[in-house]
Amino acid sequence: AQSVAQPEDQVNVAEGNPLTVKCTYSVSGNPYLFWYVQYPNRGLQFLLKYITGDNLVKGSYGFEAEFNKSQTSFHLKKPSALVSDSALYFCAVRDNSGNTPLVFGKGTRLSVIA
Amino acid sequence: DAEITQSPRHKITETGRQVTLACHQTWNHNNMFWYRQDLGHGLRLIHYSYGVHDTNKGEVSDGYSVSRSNTEDLPLTLESAASSQTSVYFCASSEPGPQYEQYFGPGTRLTVT
Repeated sequence: AQSVAQPEDQVNVAEGNPLTVKCTYSVSGNPYLFWYVQYPNRGLQFLLKYITGDNLVKGSYGFEAEFNKSQTSFHLKKPSALVSDSALYFCAVRDNSGNTPLVFGKGTRLSVIA
Repeated sequence: DAEITQSPRHKITETGRQVTLACHQTWNHNNMFWYRQDLGHGLRLIHYSYGVHDTNKGEVSDGYSVSRSNTEDLPLTLESAASSQTSVYFCASSEPGPQYEQYFGPGTRLTVT
């Protein structure tokens, strides 16, 4: 069975500081990993994904994520946070064995303080 | 531009009534999904479809049904609405294959009184 854990319900960071939103996963095969962002009263927007290759993945709005197979983690990062980055962030996973739906974490609320 | 739409955006209904939420996508995607979002639970999969006439149950399918008569639409029906089904419902679609991301609609906020 596939699962995702986002250990922090809430992350607070000052504007201009680096941010990290944590995600760990469990799959039976090789993982495909995704990050989504949700702004208030909106649907989820795709940010980035890891399929294969370079462990550092770059995505939209200056976000990046680092895949670490030994730690089964896929943490989302940004070098300098903006107030407009404040939103709900979801990590998702599926294994590469077939056409299965994504399994989502419970989400982490990021608050960037000016 | 291709998009995925949901209607209605807000719905209030009474316990016991049948409710249908619409989802329409113009991406021509074979895969479509329904999720519900609740505080403390994140997104939970209700039903999904990999093509016309194909439907599959997700982790929280009890009390819900779907049917897929064409590529563009996957309506979600609550057979007899219950207060526990008060939630925000999201539809999503994707191309077939595990490497593809899902695209989400704007959501429907359903309140069952």
